Amino acid sequence: AQTVTQSQPEMSVQEAETVTLSCTYDTSENNYYLFWYKQPPSRQMILVIRQEAYKQQNATENRFSVNFQKAAKSFSLKISDSQLGDTAMYFCAFMKRNQGGKLIFGQGTELSVKP
Amino acid sequence: EAGVAQSPRYKIIEKRQSVAFWCNPISGHATLYWYQQILGQGPKLLIQFQNNGVVDDSQLPKDRFSAERLKGVDSTLKIQPAKLEDSAVYLCASTIPGGQETQYFGPGTRLLVL
Repeated sequence: AQTVTQSQPEMSVQEAETVTLSCTYDTSENNYYLFWYKQPPSRQMILVIRQEAYKQQNATENRFSVNFQKAAKSFSLKISDSQLGDTAMYFCAFMKRNQGGKLIFGQGTELSVKP
Repeated sequence: EAGVAQSPRYKIIEKRQSVAFWCNPISGHATLYWYQQILGQGPKLLIQFQNNGVVDDSQLPKDRFSAERLKGVDSTLKIQPAKLEDSAVYLCASTIPGGQETQYFGPGTRLLVL
């Protein structure tokens, strides 16, 4: 069975600085996706970034980028130039490819961006 | 384009009562998911529909939870009877056919069982 672990329950960062959120996962699969989702206090889960396991190049989306280390089963999220609106819970998630779309989430990291 | 709609947004019930949640996915999205998110945890998949058929309900507590998706559009999730440990946010998500890697989530229904 797949598991996703986020070892940082809470983190804080000053506005405009850079922060990295950690995620590790365990799987015997070779073909899968990894995701970072953001969940603000309003509770709407929003996709931040997606990585396909077969792609060696790390995904980037504006201020968000990942460090995908497949052999180490590590998938960290870097937020550059942090903004107050980045304050939210961040969830790392795993999905087997071509298996219907079941997402397996980590426990979450609560990020606070301070002015 | 309208997003995934859920209602009610909040519900408070006594234990042993029944409750139902409703989800309307994005138009054209054939796949629909219900997740349970207990406070302090990540969401956990309860059930997945493809059109009006169940794809995965392995983690649905079938002694008290039921779900249906008549006509392959709207879906309802029911709990009968509710227990204290059912207090959680219930999230609905949907995807286009063949696009399971991009799930669109609704705002969720927050349930408190007293």
